[in-house]
Amino acid sequence: DQQVKQNSPSLSVQEGRISILNCDYTNSMFDYFLWYKKYPAEGPTFLISISSIKDKNEDGRFTVFLNKSAKHLSLHIVPSQPGDSAVYFCAASGLGGNNRKLIWGLGTSLAVNP
Amino acid sequence: DAGVTQSPTHLIKTRGQQVTLRCSPKSGHDTVSWYQQALGQGPQFIFQYYEEEERQRGNFPDRFSGHQFPNYSSELNVNALLLGDSALYLCASSGGISNQPQHFGDGTRLSIL
Repeated sequence: DQQVKQNSPSLSVQEGRISILNCDYTNSMFDYFLWYKKYPAEGPTFLISISSIKDKNEDGRFTVFLNKSAKHLSLHIVPSQPGDSAVYFCAASGLGGNNRKLIWGLGTSLAVNP
Repeated sequence: DAGVTQSPTHLIKTRGQQVTLRCSPKSGHDTVSWYQQALGQGPQFIFQYYEEEERQRGNFPDRFSGHQFPNYSSELNVNALLLGDSALYLCASSGGISNQPQHFGDGTRLSIL
């Protein structure tokens, strides 16, 4: 049973445009959400996170939005750059945030075309 | 400031053998978590170590065991290897402060023949 779902396996965007990656979750006990980026042959790299007490968190070109009632979060990348091409994973944890196991989605492969 | 380091980077074993993977956490981190990532999947949580004890465990059999040392480094041991154990094994470290993200190493690619 997939508790964290990324329903789009891939996404293609033109350089300079907005990339929107979506994630849905089923467990209402999740209270901390993270986005990681992964290049081939490398480990996941942390991008941005959001606590369930917030509905938006912004860091440079990256913004994460959380809709708790819909159990949905999204990652916006503006403007998209070719170096953003990677697999993006949504992950969630419960009971107080970081030092708990992360439950991961299957990932979305983003291709940013020059 | 060294990040999370894992060794070896690649490993080939045969069914029934045993394997030990190693992880050194990021400087200042005291908690180590291990994940298994099969091809085309997201990482699956194996277990987490803090203060040299296993604190949480995912749905993995007892063939998977671990250890954390006083310097916070950690080992993952897998006994009686099965073909299905072929995967990328990721180590993540984190600090004691809550709501700090886990930092990952580049993983060990384990192939079972």
